[in-house]
Formats: sequence, C-alpha cells, structure tokens
Amino acid sequence: NAGVTQTPKFRILKIGQSMTLQCTQDMNHNYMYWYRQDPGMGLKLIYYSVGAGITDKGEVPNGYNVSRSTTEDFPLRLELAAPSQTSVYFCASSHVINTEAFFGQGTRLTVV
Amino acid sequence: GIQVEQSPPDLILQEGANSTLRCNFSDSVNNLQWFHQNPWGQLINLFYIPSGTKQNGRLSATTVATERYSLLYISSSQTTDSGVYFCAVEREDSSYKLIFGSGTRLLVRP
Repeated sequence: NAGVTQTPKFRILKIGQSMTLQCTQDMNHNYMYWYRQDPGMGLKLIYYSVGAGITDKGEVPNGYNVSRSTTEDFPLRLELAAPSQTSVYFCASSHVINTEAFFGQGTRLTVV
Repeated sequence: GIQVEQSPPDLILQEGANSTLRCNFSDSVNNLQWFHQNPWGQLINLFYIPSGTKQNGRLSATTVATERYSLLYISSSQTTDSGVYFCAVEREDSSYKLIFGSGTRLLVRP
C-alpha cells in the first residue's frame, strides 16, 4: 500500500515558468489537501477537495490552481512561478471528515 | 479563521526527560490531530484526538474541547523524538479545513 505519493520530490523553476505537482493516493480517500511549508514555519492550506469534481480554496490559494477529476488524483498547478512560491509542498488525504490525515513525502520547489 | 497556538516554540531536553507540549485553539473544533515532522521532513500522524485521552507507547495526548486546548506528553524522551510537533484542528462548522499551528521544535540530546 503506497499511501500518498507526490512527484517530483525536487524541482527548480525559473520565474514565470509553470508546472504541475502531482499527488495520488491509493486509499480511496474522499478528502485531499495541498499545503505549503515555508522554512521554519507551519503548514498553510492552499486548496482542498472533498471529492471528485469538488475543490475549494484554503488559506493561501493565490497563484495556484487545482483539479480533482478522479478520487485518486489531486494535482496542483503553478501557472506563473514566483520566488514567493519557493517552499515545500505537501499533499494529504483522509477517508472522511474527522479522521486522521496521511501525508505524502513532500515536493521541494525552488523558484529562481 | 480559527487560531491555533502552540507552546513552547522550542524545547531542548536531555534524553530520558519528560515534556508537555500545548496546543490552544480559538474556536470549537470537531477534529484535532497531532503530527511529528522528523528531521527529514516527513509528517507522521501521532494522534487523532478531538476530545479525551489517548496513549501510544511513550506518547499520550489529552484534549479538553470545552476549554479549547490539547496537550501532548512525551515520556522518557529519546533522540529519535527530535523534530517538530504540530497540532492541527478543524473548526466545528465542518469547513473541511485542517489548520495547523506553528509547531514546537524539539531537540533531544544524548
């Protein structure tokens, strides 16, 4: 059982480039989340989804987009990368509301 | 939005010592979880504990929902306990947003 898988693990982008961070889970979880963690800080919620076709903004959604076409996948899109988006990105999932969340291993993104 | 405050922000222990980490939150919650982020950045779920007390080996947690706080106890600390401990909550209005505190950074010295 792989759990929550994120790709890539590391990426360097130039300012203005775009990319998609991939997240997939094999636990048939309804809820999925994207967080960013800046150095020495806690996790900030970017977007979340309560099921296929349903997404909503979190605390810091600006500069990002998401989609949820299947239960398994929840990609995060950066359209015009900026240095302020340098961070570690975590994807998480949970079965239903009010249960424990499981995290992927993170994607370390640097925008130069 | 809901505020989540953790204390202390930093903690240094000698191996074998006990410690208590605290999480205060500003609104009623129906979900509270404790996570450990190890030095390699991996986040591990320790407890799902919206109320009551749970124990898992040397770790235990208590949430007093009516008073809006949770405590994480670490007994007989080991160097492998080092890392950052996060509390995360979801407000009772079922907004589905799991919001994190800023964490307690723990260093256990041999």
